[in-house]
Amino acid sequence: KAGVTQTPRYLIKTRGQQVTLSCSPISGHRSVSWYQQTPGQGLQFLFEYFSETQRNKGNFPGRFSGRQFSNSRSEMNVSTLELGDSALYLCASSLQPGPGRIQYFGAGTRLSVL
Amino acid sequence: KNEVEQSPQNLTAQEGEFITINCSYSVGISALHWLQQHPGGGIVSLFMLSSGKKKHGRLIATINIQEKHSSLHITASHPRDSAVYICAVGSLGGATNKLIFGTGTLLAVQP
Repeated sequence: KAGVTQTPRYLIKTRGQQVTLSCSPISGHRSVSWYQQTPGQGLQFLFEYFSETQRNKGNFPGRFSGRQFSNSRSEMNVSTLELGDSALYLCASSLQPGPGRIQYFGAGTRLSVL
Repeated sequence: KNEVEQSPQNLTAQEGEFITINCSYSVGISALHWLQQHPGGGIVSLFMLSSGKKKHGRLIATINIQEKHSSLHITASHPRDSAVYICAVGSLGGATNKLIFGTGTLLAVQP
């Protein structure tokens, strides 16, 4: 069974641009979560989706948004990029949402904002 | 103060040594996860605990809910165990995947 696939693996953007990251969960997994990892703040929860609905959102500005499609694939979008948005963005999937569910992580998309 | 604290932040060990990484948390939790992150970014879930103790190969994880503390032990450490180990908690409050993460412990096992 294929793992969680994130594309692209690397991105370089400039300030003010917008970016879309993609995540394909493990087949059969309907819950997708997104996380941001930076050297200064560590890993932080961005948002999670289940059955095409955003169920929870972390403490991030409205420039960060996402969606989930009927096939459970998810995208996240960051508009008006800032230098501080440079980070590793990780997607994780699970069968269903829940704190006791094992989450399977993708390899991440490394975004550099210049 | 972070809701999830890990210690130590950095750890260097010799191959074969017994290793302990600690995690303390200040929030009510439904579950605690131990994760492993290798250079390059990939994260693997090692354990999910809500009580007691779990063992997988050379890895052992324990949790004490009353003391809000968990430990990850590695027996007979090996250079391939070198990675960042991250403690994360799923707080009380419904069916959510939201995790609160510790800052991680960078482990280097030297041959």
